[in-house]
Amino acid sequence: QVQLQESGPGVVKPSQTLSLTCTVSGDSLNSGYFYLSWIRQPAGKGLEWIGRIYTNGVTNYNPSLKSRVSISVDASKNQVTLKLTSVTAADTAVYYCARDTELIVGDFQYSYMDAWGKGTTVTVSS
Amino acid sequence: DIQMTQSPSSLSASVGDRVTITCQASEGIRTYLNWYQQHPGKAPKLLIYAASNLETGVPSRFSGSGSGTVFTFTVTSLQPEDFATYFCQQYGYLPLTFGGGTKVEI
Repeated sequence: QVQLQESGPGVVKPSQTLSLTCTVSGDSLNSGYFYLSWIRQPAGKGLEWIGRIYTNGVTNYNPSLKSRVSISVDASKNQVTLKLTSVTAADTAVYYCARDTELIVGDFQYSYMDAWGKGTTVTVSS
Repeated sequence: DIQMTQSPSSLSASVGDRVTITCQASEGIRTYLNWYQQHPGKAPKLLIYAASNLETGVPSRFSGSGSGTVFTFTVTSLQPEDFATYFCQQYGYLPLTFGGGTKVEI
């Protein structure tokens, strides 16, 4: 059974870079049928998709964050890293990584986040 | 970006009730829509994918329907463990976007 675990500092100072790692167990980032997505959720609010990476390193980012986000993969360690630069208080949130499974059947595409980490809280504060 | 408008934002219900949530997309997304359940302090859990497909292990009292721009999510007989927040999510276009959530309360 696949498990995902987010890790990283719980507090980041304003203007600094937030760096989080997602470690996948029970599945391989080389399996070729899923992306690894990052999603965040400010306290009491909704979900915001940050971006995702495929095993070959192809990335998609949310345009609202694109200038500050980078996602990278280390397939040998089964880990994905999220970096978010120039953070402000608005970046305070619970950050989740999720397996974003992709299947194409004929001309139809299935895409869903079927496994999630427990989330890690990041607070931006001096 | 595709805007996903969920309604209602919250509702009160009782055990055994039938509950329906609506999600409207700002543009047509075929049936490229998923539904998630989230309990407080927990990660979201996939319930329905591609508008109407029940994820493995999810009870059959949960169902989804719709295509294009209007989608519905239904719980036919609410159980105590179903009191949670539900989110829709579209994957027809990048960036992936979520609805604002519907909190189902007692």
